[in-house]
Amino acid sequence: GDSVTQMEGPVTLSEEACLTINCTYTATGYPSLFWYVQYPGEGLQLLLKATKADDKGSNKGFEATYRKETTSFHLEKGSVQVSDSAVYFCALSDRNSGGSNYKLTFGKGTLLTVNP
Amino acid sequence: SQTIHQWPATLVQPVGSPLSLECTVEGTSNPNLYWYRQAAGRGLQLLFYSVGIGQISSEVPQNLSASRPQDRQFILSSKKLLLSDSGFYLCAWMRIPSTDTQYFGPGTRLTVL
Repeated sequence: GDSVTQMEGPVTLSEEACLTINCTYTATGYPSLFWYVQYPGEGLQLLLKATKADDKGSNKGFEATYRKETTSFHLEKGSVQVSDSAVYFCALSDRNSGGSNYKLTFGKGTLLTVNP
Repeated sequence: SQTIHQWPATLVQPVGSPLSLECTVEGTSNPNLYWYRQAAGRGLQLLFYSVGIGQISSEVPQNLSASRPQDRQFILSSKKLLLSDSGFYLCAWMRIPSTDTQYFGPGTRLTVL
């Protein structure tokens, strides 16, 4: 079945440091890939997505490139801020998962803390 | 624009009591709807999904049930809560025809004592 593996946290960085959160996936079909962010006490917000190989999703200074050859979708940001402190989830949606359901498969999440 | 609401925001219930959590979506028709649970320190577990009124699929056999009495309303229920039902419950919707992107509500924090 489908699966998503993302780097174990927690990750602690100083403000303006570079961020990379690794994410790799296994899927039988042609998945779309997502990064969601969860701020403390809140629901998940879509951060960015990519729907096919070599697509780059970007938002709020974050980027991730869909790499089919390495089955990866690593999240990067060149300069993090304190306000980026949150839990980040990598996920995939497999169009071939059956019918019109489009179930999401999530990684376990990575807690990022950015210190001033 | 579309919005998704969940209530209550927080809930503290004794073991053995019933549960009803509600989720509603505005600004769209015939969405797919999803219930997830996030236990402390863990990822998200898909509990139920629905592709239409009265159509419920269960992902994990457990103490919970779901219903969809109206197009944009999704309810999570239990007859008797267990301690293990504590967690953060998230509702999500997806536009159909699908864009394959799910959008999440603000969540309900349930504590069972």
